[in-house]
Amino acid sequence: GESVGLHLPTLSVQEGDNSIINCAYSNSASDYFIWYKQESGKGPQFIIDIRSNMDKRQGQRVTVLLNKTVKHLSLQIAATQPGDSAVYFCAELVTGGGNKLTFGTGTQLKVEL
Amino acid sequence: ETGVTQSPTHLIKTRGQQVTLRCSSQSGHNTVSWYQQALGQGPQFIFQYYREEENGRGNFPPRFSGLQFPNYSSELNVNALELDDSALYLCASSFDRGIGEQYFGPGTRLTVT
Repeated sequence: GESVGLHLPTLSVQEGDNSIINCAYSNSASDYFIWYKQESGKGPQFIIDIRSNMDKRQGQRVTVLLNKTVKHLSLQIAATQPGDSAVYFCAELVTGGGNKLTFGTGTQLKVEL
Repeated sequence: ETGVTQSPTHLIKTRGQQVTLRCSSQSGHNTVSWYQQALGQGPQFIFQYYREEENGRGNFPPRFSGLQFPNYSSELNVNALELDDSALYLCASSFDRGIGEQYFGPGTRLTVT
């Protein structure tokens, strides 16, 4: 069936280093992907999105890469800060599918000082 | 803060009981989506309401039902509660069924004993 999964459940990085969070998806019909950040006690917060006709998109300190050949998505965070510590989810959407957004399990990012 | 509010914050119910959770959408938003997030998992799409009509549903049984009111606030009702219904219930609001622009509330933590 359809699934969105993450390679690593926990990622620890030093403050100032770059972080890379990976995500694999299986639904080749997905045409829109979103990365969310969820801090403890809060709902998910939109970080960045990318459409399937793109392979890279940059935001402020974040970059999302999409490789449709291997169905892989990654989130790169530059100069990771303590405030980046959170759980990160990738989510996929098949437009026209009733706006059903499918989330992955999540990766816990821990920033060490 | 996103402007999306949910009530109550926490709730404890007994198996077999019924529960109603409430969500007030961000000003100007006419779409509300509900998600169930089990501990350590990503959110699972329950359904979406747009202009008081259901607009898409995930793989949840009929005992999960909802309403959207003329002011675009929404309720999630769960009948015949089961232990596995224990989770964080999130609502997200957006404009015109938009997904990328949806803002999440802090969630309601439901515990079924």
